[in-house]
Amino acid sequence: GDSVTQMEGPVTLSEEACLTINCTYTATGYPSLFWYVQYPGEGLQLLLKATKADDKGSNKGFEATYRKETTSFHLEKGSVQVSDSAVYFCALRGGSYIPTFGRGTSLIVHP
Amino acid sequence: EAGVTQFPSHSVIEKGQTVTLRCDPISGHDNLYWYRRVMGKEIKFLLHFVKESKQDESGMPNNRFLAERTGGTYSTLKVQPAELEDSGVYFCASSPYRGRNTDTQYFGPGTRLTVL
Repeated sequence: GDSVTQMEGPVTLSEEACLTINCTYTATGYPSLFWYVQYPGEGLQLLLKATKADDKGSNKGFEATYRKETTSFHLEKGSVQVSDSAVYFCALRGGSYIPTFGRGTSLIVHP
Repeated sequence: EAGVTQFPSHSVIEKGQTVTLRCDPISGHDNLYWYRRVMGKEIKFLLHFVKESKQDESGMPNNRFLAERTGGTYSTLKVQPAELEDSGVYFCASSPYRGRNTDTQYFGPGTRLTVL
């Protein structure tokens, strides 16, 4: 079945550092790929998505590129802020409308 | 516009007790979903309502879990009797029916359930 593997956290960075959170997936067909973010005390929010190979999703300075050849969808940001501290979930949706999530990666950004 | 709300935010109960979680979706959203995240693991789908009907309950772990959505508005998820392995964060999400962005589910903050 479908699965998503993302790097374990927590990831701890200083403000303005570069961020990469790795995500790889296993799926049949051509899934859509997503990154969700959960800020403290809030629900999951869709951060960005990509629906086909080589698409790049971007939002709030975050980017991720759908790489079919490596089955990856790594999340990147060039300069993180304290306000980016949150838990980030990689997810895919194949033929079903129900997303398959990764385990989540906690990001802690220090001033 | 109010988002998805869940109550309570935290619940601590003893094994064998009953707990009822509530979810209020975004007004007008016909689709309502329940998910669960056990500590450090993936968020797993539990079930899906379209209005008051259960569309898909393939993720419900066992018959100790009962979900209802009376009148197609808010939903409750009851765990009776609770077991230790039921501990985790229970998320609710909603989405509009045949809306322009039907692929976007709006999540609530979750209810953290701890069974001792």
